Amino acid sequence: EVQLVESGGDLVQPGGSLRLSCAASGIIFSDWWMTWVRQAPGKGLEWVANIKPDGSIKQYADSVKGRFTISRDNGKDSVTLQMSSLRADDTAVYYCATSFDYAFEMGGQGTRVTVSS
Amino acid sequence: QTVVIQEPSSSVSPGGTVTLTCGLSSGSVSTANYASWYQQTPGQTPRMLIYNTNARSSGAPNRFSGSILGTKAALTITGAQAEDDSDFYCVLFLGSAIWQFGGGTKLTVL
Repeated sequence: EVQLVESGGDLVQPGGSLRLSCAASGIIFSDWWMTWVRQAPGKGLEWVANIKPDGSIKQYADSVKGRFTISRDNGKDSVTLQMSSLRADDTAVYYCATSFDYAFEMGGQGTRVTVSS
Repeated sequence: QTVVIQEPSSSVSPGGTVTLTCGLSSGSVSTANYASWYQQTPGQTPRMLIYNTNARSSGAPNRFSGSILGTKAALTITGAQAEDDSDFYCVLFLGSAIWQFGGGTKLTVL
């Protein structure tokens, strides 16, 4: 069974930085595209970023391009989202997901990021 | 900018059939958009029901099916149950490494 455990969410001031992590188990991690999806309070889902199994391709939503960086460590079965220049509208629960056939399997409980002064 | 459009709300009677749709503000949805569908109950993580337009995710009940209906992707629930009372989201691949979710449909089973 796939397990994804997100961590790193916190309260951060506007303009600040935060690093989210996702630990995967139950899969051959290095075979999978990985994705971050977020959900602002009371709002819908938003695709944030993808990374190819070997890390050679990274794709970002326009709303986070230039501010967020996705990376992975296949030796540790983990994917990371480094977030900088955070804004109030980045406030959300962030879900880690495996990606296949252009779809996303969100397997964890998410981690909450709040951007506020 | 292209927007993915879903009905804000829909309702169905227990045992009934309902179709939720997922369209584009400009143009038609096709299999090249690789539509996928997700169900979310309050406080829970979204779970995938359908991927690649009409492939059912493992664990998704077979009362859920996906298709293209006219110019939109569609999720049909045949024999709705009380536990289907939840939010449903679609996501479309728009090309150029862009995925966009619809705003979601709140389904009421009553």
